[in-house]
Amino acid sequence: DAGVTQSPTHLIKTRGQQVTLRCSPISGHKSVSWYQQVLGQGPQFIFQYYEKEERGRGNFPDRFSARQFPNYSSELNVNALLLGDSALYLCASSYQRAADEQYFGPGTRLTVT
Amino acid sequence: AQRVTQPEKLLSVFKGAPVELKCNYSYSGSPELFWYVQYSRQRLQLLLRHISRESIKGFTADLNKGETSFHLKKPFAQEEDSAMYYCALPLGSGGYNKLIFGAGTRLAVHP
Repeated sequence: DAGVTQSPTHLIKTRGQQVTLRCSPISGHKSVSWYQQVLGQGPQFIFQYYEKEERGRGNFPDRFSARQFPNYSSELNVNALLLGDSALYLCASSYQRAADEQYFGPGTRLTVT
Repeated sequence: AQRVTQPEKLLSVFKGAPVELKCNYSYSGSPELFWYVQYSRQRLQLLLRHISRESIKGFTADLNKGETSFHLKKPFAQEEDSAMYYCALPLGSGGYNKLIFGAGTRLAVHP
């Protein structure tokens, strides 16, 4: 099993643009969570999706949105990018809704210029 | 507010020395707590969890509710222990659904 996969690995965007990040969970995992990790800080929770429904949302503006597909893969969208959105975006999957054991992907490094 | 604090950004020790990575939490109730580790060029992965009371790679962590701490300890550090360590508190309604991470501590073990 390849584990959690994320794409793209890196991307560079300009302020005001929109970006879509993708995540494929481990086979059989039904829960996907997204985290933002700014340099020098720990990951910060953005969303959790379980069985294709939003089950939790962190303290992020409405510019951030996500969805989960029938195959349990997920997309994170960020609109109207700001310089402060530059970060590593991590996806984590787990079999159940509970966050007791989450498997993290390698992350997508987003740079906003 | 629920919060996890890791007061040290960097902990530097020599091989064979004892290690203690500090974690303090703010939570009303009986918390579950985890330690995650990220080795160089690898993914963030679960190291150990409070509830299992396991010793993983020689590391242990005891929950001290009086001091609201969950420090990670190892009696004899190895060079391969060098990594970023994050303490995490699972939260959520209807079951834990998110992790609150501390800022992390970088452990550097020197030969």
